[in-house]
Amino acid sequence: QKEVEQNSGPLSVPEGAIASLNCTYSDRVSQSFFWYRQYSGKSPELIMSIYSNGDKEDGRFTAQLNKASQYVSLLIRDSQPSDSATYLCAVNMNGGFKTIFGAGTRLFVKA
Amino acid sequence: DVKVTQSSRYLVKRTGEKVFLECVQDMDHENMFWYRQDPGLGLRLIYFSYDVKMKEKGDIPEGYSVSREKKERFSLILESASTNQTSMYLCASSFWDEGANEKLFFGSGTQLSVL
Repeated sequence: QKEVEQNSGPLSVPEGAIASLNCTYSDRVSQSFFWYRQYSGKSPELIMSIYSNGDKEDGRFTAQLNKASQYVSLLIRDSQPSDSATYLCAVNMNGGFKTIFGAGTRLFVKA
Repeated sequence: DVKVTQSSRYLVKRTGEKVFLECVQDMDHENMFWYRQDPGLGLRLIYFSYDVKMKEKGDIPEGYSVSREKKERFSLILESASTNQTSMYLCASSFWDEGANEKLFFGSGTQLSVL
């Protein structure tokens, strides 16, 4: 079993819709969870972090964490074509040096 | 803004060559990392360093070595390049926020082709 699993997609949504990206992780002691966005040909950039169960909102983005189910998700409201990218889920044990990445989900937002 | 600079955007080398990939960060971060990214496999950690002259193996260190002589610079060395090392190489630096959560900042990447 991979340590961090994501559906590779592609996930295609129409402009204005909600895009839902999901991620599961295997290490129960993981404490820190991140979403990175990577445009084609570019490097990953951090867009969201979440550390406790529940929802965290930042503009059009909402990260959701359920540690009991070992599940983290990213919701993008009012999706725009500029949101088209690969979204990487990443997991780190608190204070640890090693961030483990999922393989990423490709998102296409159709105008 | 954090800046992580990788010396080359594209690099073509021949099998058996020794290859140096350079990375410099300007934010005085303690930790630096080398990842490689391959389609379907995501980012895999090769080596990391949490202090000058310190290094730790990541998940796939075979065929690679690293050097960290100065805090701002972290070099990845392919001792004898092979075709299976053709990949996108990403350097990153990180800091821990007030909650001891580590956040990574990536360079623009080096696409290495080994022929």
